[in-house]
Amino acid sequence: EAGVAQSPRYKIIEKRQSVAFWCNPISGHATLYWYQQILGQGPKLLIQFQNNGVVDDSQLPKDRFSAERLKGVDSTLKIQPAKLEDSAVYLCASSLEVFYEQFFGPGTRLTVL
Amino acid sequence: AQRVTQPEKLLSVFKGAPVELKCNYSYSGSPELFWYVQYSRQRLQLLLRHISRESIKGFTADLNKGETSFHLKKPFAQEEDSAMYYCALSPIGTSYGKLTFGQGTILTVHP
Repeated sequence: EAGVAQSPRYKIIEKRQSVAFWCNPISGHATLYWYQQILGQGPKLLIQFQNNGVVDDSQLPKDRFSAERLKGVDSTLKIQPAKLEDSAVYLCASSLEVFYEQFFGPGTRLTVL
Repeated sequence: AQRVTQPEKLLSVFKGAPVELKCNYSYSGSPELFWYVQYSRQRLQLLLRHISRESIKGFTADLNKGETSFHLKKPFAQEEDSAMYYCALSPIGTSYGKLTFGQGTILTVHP
């Protein structure tokens, strides 16, 4: 089966600009996650969706980050405006349901200059 | 709050030697513990979870609730085990799936 797809793979922007990342989960997976992985650290969960509803966004900096999963399939994560400390790899993962294994995408590496 | 600590950033062993990657956690409720692995140029993937009690690629991990540890062990390391390893914790219950990862340990197995 096809894995989790993410685009773009790399993005370089200047601070205060906006950026959006896209994730296409494995077909049929109801649960979708966005993680932020800063260099030298483990992934940190930003938001968890169950179908098109938000289950947990307690660690999402809502003043600048937003995410949506309108039709319960694809998802986008947006940063507006970006700060230097947002430089990280943004990982998307999906699972069949919340109790099942999470499958990760290749990630988007964001550099904010 | 939940926390996962991997005290070793780097670990080097020779092929055929035993290897143990340490993981300690803190969580007030009942957790499920996982080990994830990322091989060079590959995606992060699940290696094993304590609830399934499986041995994957010769690796095992036992949850020690008294010591709040979930160390990953393999009796005879292979060169292909060289990778980044992350320990992770999920609450059991309504917050299931909300993974907290440790900082990771880079394992290098020398020939």
